[in-house]
Amino acid sequence: GENVEQHPSTLSVQEGDSAVIKCTYSDSASNYFPWYKQELGKRPQLIIDIRSNVGEKKDQRIAVTLNKTAKHFSLHITETQPEDSAVYFCAASPLGGYNKLIFGAGTRLAVHP
Amino acid sequence: SQTIHQWPATLVQPVGSPLSLECTVEGTSNPNLYWYRQAAGRGLQLLFYSVGIGQISSEVPQNLSASRPQDRQFILSSKKLLLSDSGFYLCAWKRGFGNTIYFGEGSWLTVV
Repeated sequence: GENVEQHPSTLSVQEGDSAVIKCTYSDSASNYFPWYKQELGKRPQLIIDIRSNVGEKKDQRIAVTLNKTAKHFSLHITETQPEDSAVYFCAASPLGGYNKLIFGAGTRLAVHP
Repeated sequence: SQTIHQWPATLVQPVGSPLSLECTVEGTSNPNLYWYRQAAGRGLQLLFYSVGIGQISSEVPQNLSASRPQDRQFILSSKKLLLSDSGFYLCAWKRGFGNTIYFGEGSWLTVV
């Protein structure tokens, strides 16, 4: 089955810097790659997603890139703000799996003022 | 608009006691439904998913079970809880032909 690895597990940046979180997946048939943000004690919420027919997608300060050949995808946050502090999860959905999202272990991002 | 409700929000249960967590989705029909578990400081582990009434697929062996008695109702149960069952349980749903999965607010379970 699908396996998703996520790095780093923790990331500390200064306000205004950029943050990059990387994920690799094992199932080449996966075609949907969302990113979720989870604030302390709350539910994960979708912040951006990308499908396999697209190499890059951007939404304001957040962007995601996908390299299907290498089977990895990354989340880029520019001009980080303290409210970006949270745990970020990547996920991959294999084909025919009824969108059984398989999640990475998460990255705890801390943005320091 | 669609909403998902999950309860109870928190509970503390003794080892060996039963468990029932309930989840309902409003504003849609025939959703795919999911139960995930998140251990403290860990990632999200898929426990069960369902594509229709009475149809349950289990992802990991454990002492938990799930049922879907109605189209928009998903229940997570255990007959006898273990200490290792402690965690944050999240119900989730998506439209049958959609991609995005939406999570409920979660239930914090502490087994003592």
